[in-house]
Amino acid sequence: GAVVSQHPSWVICKSGTSVKIECRSLDFQATTMFWYRQFPKQSLMLMATSNEGSKATYEQGVEKDKFLINHASLTLSTLTVTSAHPEDSSFYICSARDPRGRGTITEAFFGQGTRLTVV
Amino acid sequence: GDSVTQMEGPVTLSEEAFLTINCTYTATGYPSLFWYVQYPGEGLQLLLKATKADDKGSNKGFEATYRKETTSFHLEKGSVQVSDSAVYFCALGGADGLTFGKGTHLIIQP
Repeated sequence: GAVVSQHPSWVICKSGTSVKIECRSLDFQATTMFWYRQFPKQSLMLMATSNEGSKATYEQGVEKDKFLINHASLTLSTLTVTSAHPEDSSFYICSARDPRGRGTITEAFFGQGTRLTVV
Repeated sequence: GDSVTQMEGPVTLSEEAFLTINCTYTATGYPSLFWYVQYPGEGLQLLLKATKADDKGSNKGFEATYRKETTSFHLEKGSVQVSDSAVYFCALGGADGLTFGKGTHLIIQP
C-alpha cells in the first residue's frame, strides 16, 4: 500500500523552542494532507487540513500561529510547533490522501506519528 | 457533532481466545465506519471498513458489521494470535473527515 513517512518519531525539546515535524508521501503525490493530535487516552483529533500550494484549513480551537503548517510540495507537509510549552506535549500524526483514488478523505494513509515532549 | 465511543483498554487475552472490541457512534447522515490498527512503532493502517448499513467488513480474520439500529460497529475475531497485539481505533468517516475513538490497546499473551 501507499507509504507515508513521518519524521521524527519522537522529539524532546525545551520550553520556548520550536519543533518541526515532517510528513512525506513516498510513492504518491498527496494533494491533501491531514494533521492529527492525540492526548493520552483521548481520541485522535483533526488539527488541520493542508492542501498543496494553499493555506491550511484549521479546525476550530487550533491556534494557526502556534501550529504552522506548510505544504510546499506534493510530497511534503510540515507542522511546526512554535514556542512550544509543556501542554503541547502530545502525539502528532499525519495522513495523506492519494488523488489517484487510493484513499479518500475518509480513508487516508497514515504516518508513524511523532511523540513530542516539551520540558 | 459526530462521535465514536469504544471500550477502554487494555484488553488482555490468551492466544486463541475470542475477541470483541465494542464501538458505538453518533453521527448525522450516513457515515462510513472503519477500524484502524496501529502496531508497535508503526503508523495507523486500515483494517476493515463498511460503507452502509448491514455491510460486513472483514480482513485478516477480523470482522465488523455496520449496525444502524444499534449505531454499532463491534470488532470481532474468532481466535486471536500474539501478533494481533496492537492498538485498535474505531473511526467514523463523514463529510468533514475522520472521527476516531480513543483506541483500545489489545494484548495477547501466549
